[in-house]
Amino acid sequence: SQQGEEDPQALSIQEGENATMNCSYKTSINNLQWYRQNSGRGLVHLILIRSNEREKHSGRLRVTLDTSKKSSSLLITASRAADTASYFCATTSGGSYIPTFGRGTSLIVHP
Amino acid sequence: DTEVTQTPKHLVMGMTNKKSLKCEQHMGHRAMYWYKQKAKKPPELMFVYSYEKLSINESVPSRFSPECPNSSLLNLHLHALQPEDSALYLCASSQAWGAKDTEAFFGQGTRLTVV
Repeated sequence: SQQGEEDPQALSIQEGENATMNCSYKTSINNLQWYRQNSGRGLVHLILIRSNEREKHSGRLRVTLDTSKKSSSLLITASRAADTASYFCATTSGGSYIPTFGRGTSLIVHP
Repeated sequence: DTEVTQTPKHLVMGMTNKKSLKCEQHMGHRAMYWYKQKAKKPPELMFVYSYEKLSINESVPSRFSPECPNSSLLNLHLHALQPEDSALYLCASSQAWGAKDTEAFFGQGTRLTVV
């Protein structure tokens, strides 16, 4: 069953703008991961944030985690047309460290 | 080498055919996974292998039969599939099932069409 739910389901922005996607989940987690998927292709791991971490950065990506609200956000700064893809959050919880995916956000960056 | 390689990339098969999907990784990962993804949906877990043993079967129909011949290879044997089984099949691997804070590496998937 799906654990994470991304919001918005679709996001359309201009190149250079920032893109923010949110993920909410229902149960306590071990960690939360963000993946990118280009149309019809495999998933690329972007960043993992542990349950005891609040913020992580990787290049133009910034991920925050608020365990009290059971939510995470992914910020892509200075977006590029090449960032056009679907973005999924995946959580692991309990004794299972297998990622369970949310429904994803479809991001379109217009050049 | 941080790649998970899946073959074939595309597969069209009839409902009476038998085919196999293959997945290979050389990262020394001991956990390997099959996911199924329908269009505009998230990946859904099918099977997990840990140390070459089937650890999780998410109530997948028996027309899907996984096999892990060794720690680097994972197969998915297909037989008597239905058109609704058409989907992107993704293979993934991670250091070990149950290893905390380990990322999963995904292959590019096999786009399966059942006619």
